[in-house]
Amino acid sequence: AQTVTQSQPEMSVQEAETVTLSCTYDTSESDYYLFWYKQPPSRQMILVIRQEAYKQQNATENRFSVNFQKAAKSFSLKISDSQLGDAAMYFCAYRATQYGNKLVFGAGTILRVKS
Amino acid sequence: ETGVTQTPRHLVMGMTNKKSLKCEQHLGHNAMYWYKQSAKKPLELMFVYSLEERVENNSVPSRFSPECPNSSHLFLHLHTLQPEDSALYLCASSQDALGAYTEAFFGQGTRLTVV
Repeated sequence: AQTVTQSQPEMSVQEAETVTLSCTYDTSESDYYLFWYKQPPSRQMILVIRQEAYKQQNATENRFSVNFQKAAKSFSLKISDSQLGDAAMYFCAYRATQYGNKLVFGAGTILRVKS
Repeated sequence: ETGVTQTPRHLVMGMTNKKSLKCEQHLGHNAMYWYKQSAKKPLELMFVYSLEERVENNSVPSRFSPECPNSSHLFLHLHTLQPEDSALYLCASSQDALGAYTEAFFGQGTRLTVV
């Protein structure tokens, strides 16, 4: 069974600084997708970024980028120029491309942004 | 706003009560989901509906009963719950239940407290 592990229950970053959130996963599949979701205090989960496993190039969305290490089964999220609005719970998620597979989430990392 | 609306936002119920959670999506999606979010645990997928048909039930106790009358609405009927059922219940929808690249859009959740 696939599992997703986020080893950092909580992280803090100073405004305008950079922070990296860790995620590792376990799978025997060769083709899959990885996601980072953000859950702000409003509780509504929002997709931040996604990565296809077959792509070597790391995905980037404005201030958000990933470091995808397929061999190490690692998928970290880097937030540059952190803003107060980035404060939220961040979830890493995995989904195999095999038809019918479900989205598997990690336990989440709380990110606090200090002004 | 993600286009997925959940009501109520908060619910306190006794162990002998019967209540229902409601989810509505305005995105024209074919799949809807119920997740349970407990503190410090990964999101747990409870039920998946595709085209109003239940396609997945992850060993959820019978005190939780889902209903999907049409592709835009999803209910979770609750009865004789236990205190350990207290959690945030999240509804999500996606274009397709089974495609790997499909992004899930989440509602804001219902904070349920069982007393």
